[in-house]
Amino acid sequence: RKEVEQDPGPFNVPEGATVAFNCTYSNSASQSFFWYRQDCRKEPKLLMSVYSSGNEDGRFTAQLNRASQYISLLIRDSKLSDSATYLCVVMDSSYKLIFGSGTRLLVRP
Amino acid sequence: EAGVAQSPRYKIIEKRQSVAFWCNPISGHATLYWYQQILGQGPKLLIQFQNNGVVDDSQLPKDRFSAERLKGVDSTLKIQPAKLEDSAVYLCASSLGLSGQGETQYFGPGTRLLVL
Repeated sequence: RKEVEQDPGPFNVPEGATVAFNCTYSNSASQSFFWYRQDCRKEPKLLMSVYSSGNEDGRFTAQLNRASQYISLLIRDSKLSDSATYLCVVMDSSYKLIFGSGTRLLVRP
Repeated sequence: EAGVAQSPRYKIIEKRQSVAFWCNPISGHATLYWYQQILGQGPKLLIQFQNNGVVDDSQLPKDRFSAERLKGVDSTLKIQPAKLEDSAVYLCASSLGLSGQGETQYFGPGTRLLVL
């Protein structure tokens, strides 16, 4: 079983749509959680951290469910510029980042 | 502020050849990471340095991969000899490294390696 699992997609949605990505992780001792964004042929960039209480940054909302070992990312009012791969990232007990394989999002006009 | 610099950006070699990648982290960042990202997968940590010391190299294939950060600033990653399965993007990242715990990592643009 992979340490961090994501649906690879692609998710193909129209502009303005709401889209949600899910991620599960296997190590219950994981400490911190993040979503990174990676554009085609570019490096990953931190999108947002994920907290148990849930957190929001503009059109983006992240949620963490420690009991179910489940992380989500919700994007509202999708823009063309949101097209990218979204990487679910878990920090293990030795502070090492474990990346999922990513979920690809395509936003069409 | 300048970001993480890497060179070369692209490299094509034949199997069994050697190759080296260079990384210069953000100024003042004590912690440096090398990741391997195979097509369709997320980055996988190969080695982590804190200043010029190795913190974690548990996933580095030491029979063919080596890395150094002699002066605690820039770093090189070498593959000798390369195999077909080494084709990937090699990403360097750095973080402040004040505590080594959970700080934001900033990635360089990567070196795209193709082994024929």
